Amino acid sequence: DAKTTQPPSMDCAEGRAANLPCNHSTISGNEYVYWYRQIHSQGPQYIIHGLKNNETNEMASLIITEDRKSSTLILPHATLRDTAVYYCIVRVANSGYSTLTFGKGTMLLVSP
Amino acid sequence: DGGITQSPKYLFRKEGQNVTLSCEQNLNHDAMYWYRQDPGQGLRLIYYSQIVNDFQKGDIAEGYSVSREKKESFPLTVTSAQKNPTAFYLCASSPATVNTEAFFGQGTRLTVV
Repeated sequence: DAKTTQPPSMDCAEGRAANLPCNHSTISGNEYVYWYRQIHSQGPQYIIHGLKNNETNEMASLIITEDRKSSTLILPHATLRDTAVYYCIVRVANSGYSTLTFGKGTMLLVSP
Repeated sequence: DGGITQSPKYLFRKEGQNVTLSCEQNLNHDAMYWYRQDPGQGLRLIYYSQIVNDFQKGDIAEGYSVSREKKESFPLTVTSAQKNPTAFYLCASSPATVNTEAFFGQGTRLTVV
């Protein structure tokens, strides 16, 4: 799986949008971008994934650049409970069993 | 409720003892995984299993063993050969279909003294 690069930490004010960037410049055409988050001392939680089109669900939006070399996870109205480590992962699209390779992620701190 | 259950949440063992961590899922998922997490680090893959009675080594399998006798269960044994066993251990599962997310348990924090 391709490697990803994320900033180690970011701050966001409560109620504002949190925009978390991820660089995956070596991504292949058959690799999806996945986002997970991990609240302290808990298991990671799936957020969203996409291939090349922008995606939105009840938790977040995923914006993937046209060349697919980077993406941004957007939490539209961050709350204190969104404080967590956010992981960006790329994963081969044609393998249901492919493992997830986690980096160190971005520690998002949402403040009042 | 469907999900993945890891037990116990906290586990203490003396150095040199083997210890087995439990992972059970009722999601009917074919694939199961074990990860290790150290403070301030991401998750590293220990073992994974795609089907009953079959499993493969991940990136850091040395000092660990697993079994997959039932679809629902994927226990991890931390042996005395593992030099730094103190860590947070996470179990996950995923269905056999393409491009689906993995579901994680709440983890077991193992401390070896």
